[in-house]
Amino acid sequence: EAGVAQSPRYKIIEKRQSVAFWCNPISGHATLYWYQQILGQGPKLLIQFQNNGVVDDSQLPKDRFSAERLKGVDSTLKIQPAKLEDSAVYLCASSSQTGTNEKLFFGSGTQLSVL
Amino acid sequence: SQQGEEDPQALSIQEGENATMNCSYKTSINNLQWYRQNSGRGLVHLILIRSNEREKHSGRLRVTLDTSKKSSSLLITASRAADTASYFCASEYALNFGKGTSLLVTP
Repeated sequence: EAGVAQSPRYKIIEKRQSVAFWCNPISGHATLYWYQQILGQGPKLLIQFQNNGVVDDSQLPKDRFSAERLKGVDSTLKIQPAKLEDSAVYLCASSSQTGTNEKLFFGSGTQLSVL
Repeated sequence: SQQGEEDPQALSIQEGENATMNCSYKTSINNLQWYRQNSGRGLVHLILIRSNEREKHSGRLRVTLDTSKKSSSLLITASRAADTASYFCASEYALNFGKGTSLLVTP
């Protein structure tokens, strides 16, 4: 079974530039999550989708971050414009469970450096 | 915050020893999950314990849950160098993770 795929693996940009991350969840997984993990901290949930609908985006900085999951499969997370404090690893996860958040499968993440 | 909080923040042991880490949470839960994160990688699901369970085993892992104290513990027996990683807990309602317990197992 293929795992959660994320790209790119690394990204370096300058502040005020825009950046996009892509995630392809495990086939058949209805629920998709984006997390931000700053060095030395645990992952922080940014947004949760169930199929192509948003379940929770309460911690997504909507003035600069956006995410979409068209057709309920893969997803993109965008930052525009980026700030220095956005430097982090962005993790995508998926789960086959609907209605409960159990057994998340994580991708390897995209490491973003904002200079 | 509804995140789980892991304790201790860092733990260093030798191979063959047991490692115990703890998790505290604030709200009522239906389940609690433990995850492992190797350096530079995504998290890997280790074990899930439901609110009506007090103890659960999986290989060298043993998880306990005390809902009256809102706490859980993860025991890794006979630790190996490959167990070196960060360990996180989370409930189904609190998908934010704490800072985790950083475990170092030395040969």
